Amino acid sequence: SQQGEEDPQALSIQEGENATMNCSYKTSINNLQWYRQNSGRGLVHLILIRSNEREKHSGRLRVTLDTSKKSSSLLITASRAADTASYFCATDPYGNNRLAFGKGNQVVVIP
Amino acid sequence: NAGVMQNPRHLVRRRGQEARLRCSPMKGHSHVYWYRQLPEEGLKFMVYLQKENIIDESGMPKERFSAEFPKEGPSILRIQQVVRGDSAAYFCASSPSIKGGTDTDTQYFGPGTRLTVL
Repeated sequence: SQQGEEDPQALSIQEGENATMNCSYKTSINNLQWYRQNSGRGLVHLILIRSNEREKHSGRLRVTLDTSKKSSSLLITASRAADTASYFCATDPYGNNRLAFGKGNQVVVIP
Repeated sequence: NAGVMQNPRHLVRRRGQEARLRCSPMKGHSHVYWYRQLPEEGLKFMVYLQKENIIDESGMPKERFSAEFPKEGPSILRIQQVVRGDSAAYFCASSPSIKGGTDTDTQYFGPGTRLTVL
């Protein structure tokens, strides 16, 4: 099965609210990354969390990693209309830079 | 420092024609990756190249698809005799180096080429 499978979600929230999305994977990992993709555009790297880390922050982003449950979550606080995008998690299950992506979570932030 | 460049951004081909997709990595990056994204799907790895070498092509179909990254010039993903199922967005990414097996360098993605096969 594919690594980095998010619960495929379409999340619609009001500006200012928090958005949370989840990702699960199946094999052991060295790290997990989250990317954002705006409609019709390429992917932008958001954050990388290593397997020995439990939580990481970057600006309004908070990522958690639970290796016992093989899952990760991405929290966007105080969302803005510009956060409207699809969010993908990706793992490198074999440590060879061959990223495996999930299907993505679509987030719509309503102004 | 310009990001990863891909062209064309949009490509329309009829069945049986050839498609050539080009990718120029970020300056100083010597590793290039190609991914394919079908509608409503995540990206799927196709091939990983260094200058003049194919490192891993395990995600690329054995027939009709080929990739190269010459010493000079961009990386090329070539699809011969395209079929409708080849319609997808093709993304290129680049990274500066590889750390031995325990870390993954961030891959920087280009804007993609959207291939439509009529």
